[in-house]
Amino acid sequence: DAMVIQNPRYQVTQFGKPVTLSCSQTLNHNVMYWYQQKSSQAPKLLFHYYDKDFNNEADTPDNFQSRRPNTSFCFLDIRSPGLGDAAMYLCATSRDRASGTYEQYFGPGTRLTVT
Amino acid sequence: AQSVTQPDIHITVSEGASLELRCNYSYGATPYLFWYVQSPGQGLQLLLKYFSGDTLVQGIKGFEAEFKRSQSSFNLRKPSVHWSDAAEYFCAVGGFSGGYNKLIFGAGTRLAVHP
Repeated sequence: DAMVIQNPRYQVTQFGKPVTLSCSQTLNHNVMYWYQQKSSQAPKLLFHYYDKDFNNEADTPDNFQSRRPNTSFCFLDIRSPGLGDAAMYLCATSRDRASGTYEQYFGPGTRLTVT
Repeated sequence: AQSVTQPDIHITVSEGASLELRCNYSYGATPYLFWYVQSPGQGLQLLLKYFSGDTLVQGIKGFEAEFKRSQSSFNLRKPSVHWSDAAEYFCAVGGFSGGYNKLIFGAGTRLAVHP
């Protein structure tokens, strides 16, 4: 089945130690998104890639970066995690506007703990 | 500005009872509307979507939603709730920026089901 895969499902890192979260997709979608979701809150969009074009949300901290080496993979890098960065990180994909379909497909998420 | 309001933070129903989760949106044009469900520790799963046409849309797991333009609402319903429906439910409105779709989420409604 076509899907969005996130690895690892659970990640523990130390305060200030860089960490990378991974997302891959078999849907061949143009657009990939990263969301941060804190407990009992709605997902908050950090940034997205439209093909190779990176688009940052205005309020995303500089501490968060992303890479998309090819259509299938996208990485979230947190350069110096703080305690406030502990959250669920969700990856999602969608086709572009020209496709006429508008929904986003989500992966299972990576739960990040910062000690 | 686009926004989504889910007035109910928590709802508790008995198994077998009917369910209605409320969603109101603010959007300048014809909205693209979605309901997603999130089980604990999991990603978001698309329940149903509305783009155009019939205002009563059917989704997975026996859910349906009705779009009412005059009330700016897109309420989710299920005639008989099962214990496995206990989860967090997010309403979202989709807007376009450039070539990609951007989801604006409501704060979510947490559903508890009593046996």
